[in-house]
Amino acid sequence: SQTIHQWPATLVQPVGSPLSLECTVEGTSNPNLYWYRQAAGRGLQLLFYSVGIGQISSEVPQNLSASRPQDRQFILSSKKLLLSDSGFYLCAWSADLAGRDGYTFGSGTRLTVV
Amino acid sequence: KQEVTQIPAALSVPEGENLVLNCSFTDSAIYNLQWFRQDPGKGLTSLLLIQSSQREQTSGRLNASLDKSSGRSTLYIAASQPGDSATYLCAVIGDSNYQLIWGAGTKLIIKP
Repeated sequence: SQTIHQWPATLVQPVGSPLSLECTVEGTSNPNLYWYRQAAGRGLQLLFYSVGIGQISSEVPQNLSASRPQDRQFILSSKKLLLSDSGFYLCAWSADLAGRDGYTFGSGTRLTVV
Repeated sequence: KQEVTQIPAALSVPEGENLVLNCSFTDSAIYNLQWFRQDPGKGLTSLLLIQSSQREQTSGRLNASLDKSSGRSTLYIAASQPGDSATYLCAVIGDSNYQLIWGAGTKLIIKP
């Protein structure tokens, strides 16, 4: 069966520090991968999606970047964090871009920038 | 532009009641609709996925219906339990741009 792992679960980082969040998927190949952010009291915002190694699409301009160095690995990064980057970050995967079999989410990373 | 609305925003009921959560969307051109549950501080757990050609899906005490033409989906929870307390989110996928469009969620509290 397919599983998705996301770490760390919580992170407190000072403003201006770098960020690296990792997401890996097991039990499937060539998944579509997604990074979402959920700000407090707000809905989910799609940040990036990837349909293959090295292929990244950004949905919103921001201080963050994403990379996909391996088929089942998706990384969210920042060179210098801002206070506004605080939030709950969720990784997800789907078998295809149309989500025919739905989307599966990881357990999330709570990022607090101080 | 697709918009998804969930009503009510919050609901508190005694244990054992049957309840209905509502999700409406403005554009009926959807590919499918998915219901999720989110516990506080946790990720999203998929509950039910309904393809646009389907009318309903069932899993245990949960039943989700879809009326695409009227832009509505309902999540029916039978015999509610305190463990059902969570935020329930619905999301639709448009059949043209394949983006997930989210509702704001319904926060459900089941009182023992």
